[in-house]
Amino acid sequence: DSGVTQTPKHLITATGQRVTLRCSPRSGDLSVYWYQQSLDQGLQFLIQYYNGEERAKGNILERFSAQQFPDLHSELNLSSLELGDSALYFCASSVGWASNQPQHFGDGTRLSIL
Amino acid sequence: TQLLEQSPQFLSIQEGENLTVYCNSSSVFSSLQWYRQEPGEGPVLLVTVVTGGEVKKLKRLTFQFGDARKDSSLHITAAQPGDTGLYLCAGRAGGFKTIFGAGTRLFVKA
Repeated sequence: DSGVTQTPKHLITATGQRVTLRCSPRSGDLSVYWYQQSLDQGLQFLIQYYNGEERAKGNILERFSAQQFPDLHSELNLSSLELGDSALYFCASSVGWASNQPQHFGDGTRLSIL
Repeated sequence: TQLLEQSPQFLSIQEGENLTVYCNSSSVFSSLQWYRQEPGEGPVLLVTVVTGGEVKKLKRLTFQFGDARKDSSLHITAAQPGDTGLYLCAGRAGGFKTIFGAGTRLFVKA
């Protein structure tokens, strides 16, 4: 158990809809990262927050947004969903933001767009 | 664009065999990390290498960071079925964007 909690585990929805994925980091971790993992793209970094502020941005679409709340949990909002958004979405957390700090991953949310 | 290329993409071996997987880049990384991911779960950190030339051992797994900090290897001795999984390398060169390789999918047959 990594200590990172992601909900829901599975999500099935239709094109054009909007969903929110939730992540609770490990106790004491201030950084939260979001990743998208699909079969053809591998694990793609989307965005990182540190103590409530955006720290780094990766290949995140404009239809996607995220935030980290004062209690350090984070949400990833996906809107105007397309078939290609079907993927596993992982959240990870670390104590700080330094490059050599280990990231602890949750078990992911599997998003299926019908 | 900083990329991490992993090879081989897929490896199927018999229990007891040795293997090496590689993680290469044209960019210098301040550190590289190796993760293992099993189906239905998130990646789990195995090791972080920071110093060029560094070698770290984790039981039957040996990790090496290249002298120039552009590449890394993972060697498994006497592989076991429990080693089956997706092995991912990851790094951050400049800035804070994390890059993952596409992974090596290892299957160890009993």
